[in-house]
Amino acid sequence: LAKTTQPISMDSYEGQEVNITCSHNNIATNDYITWYQQFPSQGPRFIIQGYKTKVTNEVASLFIPADRKSSTLSLPRVSLSDTAVYYCLVGVLNTGFQKLVFGTGTRLLVSP
Amino acid sequence: DVKVTQSSRYLVKRTGEKVFLECVQDMDHENMFWYRQDPGLGLRLIYFSYDVKMKEKGDIPEGYSVSREKKERFSLILESASTNQTSMYLCASSPPTGSSNQPQHFGDGTRLSIL
Repeated sequence: LAKTTQPISMDSYEGQEVNITCSHNNIATNDYITWYQQFPSQGPRFIIQGYKTKVTNEVASLFIPADRKSSTLSLPRVSLSDTAVYYCLVGVLNTGFQKLVFGTGTRLLVSP
Repeated sequence: DVKVTQSSRYLVKRTGEKVFLECVQDMDHENMFWYRQDPGLGLRLIYFSYDVKMKEKGDIPEGYSVSREKKERFSLILESASTNQTSMYLCASSPPTGSSNQPQHFGDGTRLSIL
């Protein structure tokens, strides 16, 4: 089972780019990497998902090196509203077989 | 927009009680999940269901059971509540898995306290 490790917390300022890295040394061949954002008193919300190389959507980019042992969530030009906890999820879900491992989360604080 | 609704935001129960946590989703998703979230431990999967009446154990199923009699509803049952089950419980749903994992859609959680 893949074990994931994230920094506990990060600080940034408005307008900066933030990169949050998740380590998953024993990721399996079929595992995907997914990132979620969670605000207080809410459930996590999907941000981005990838398998290898780079994925970009309207809110973030996800960088995955060739060995897939880590992944980096990149948030361009953060704002105060990006203050939240960010979780990486590694695993695969198949009927009759599942392994989904959430990281313990990175608390991002964005200051003015 | 997908909506996952958990029946209670806050719940207080006593040790030994049988506790039901209810979750309903409105997007006809095949997969549904129950997690618990504890400080420093992140989210841990308790059970998931990939179809009506089908269930799979997650990482921490001990002390819990689940029921899925209808596609839109997934219930988590604490057979005999104990204080170490005090936690935030999160329900999620997702479409069936195809060539990739489908993103999960979460409810806003039930904060359960066992006294």
